[in-house]
Amino acid sequence: ELKVEQNPLFLSMQEGKNYTIYCNYSTTSDRLYWYRQDPGKSLESLFVLLSNGAVKQEGRLMASLDTKARLSTLHITAAVHDLSATYFCAVAPRSSRLTFGEGTQLTVNP
Amino acid sequence: GAGVSQSPSNKVTEKGKDVELRCDPISGHTALYWYRQSLGQGLEFLIYFQGNSAPDKSGLPSDRFSAERTGGSVSTLTIQRTQQEDSAVYLCASSFEPTGGWEVTSTDTQYFGPGTRLTVL
Repeated sequence: ELKVEQNPLFLSMQEGKNYTIYCNYSTTSDRLYWYRQDPGKSLESLFVLLSNGAVKQEGRLMASLDTKARLSTLHITAAVHDLSATYFCAVAPRSSRLTFGEGTQLTVNP
Repeated sequence: GAGVSQSPSNKVTEKGKDVELRCDPISGHTALYWYRQSLGQGLEFLIYFQGNSAPDKSGLPSDRFSAERTGGSVSTLTIQRTQQEDSAVYLCASSFEPTGGWEVTSTDTQYFGPGTRLTVL
């Protein structure tokens, strides 16, 4: 059974600081996804990582994938309040259902 | 273009009643998924439709849950004899999956609708 674990589950950080969210998964999988969810809202796709060593960046967020370690990271650079949200990683074989991590609730304080 | 839409956005029902939740996927998307999100269980897969293939129902929690997809587009998730533990946000997602050979760089990102919040009293 595929399991996906994120840490930390809760993260409170100050504006301007850097931090990394980790996502570990238990079995080999084709793809790794990162989603963002704002309170009361649905899931917004951030990144999809397709292969070992893949790195994607959008603004202050950068995601990477190490398939050998079964690990993905989401790095936050110089955090701003607008990044406050819950971040989910999810893993899926090709054309199949997503298995989600527990989510990391990020709060960026002024 | 239009995203995934779901209706109703909120549904309050009494225990034992049946409910129907609707999902309109993004036009042209061949795959459609249902998930639910609850405080205790996180995000859980329910069912997956792809083209004319038999749906993957392996995530449905009981036989009170069923879903259909008509004409390869709109889907309806039905919960019969609702229980309080069915209270959750039900999310629908759709994706485009090519029927031909996969390119190594092709993605099948699932795009989510706004969800239906179901409350069973």
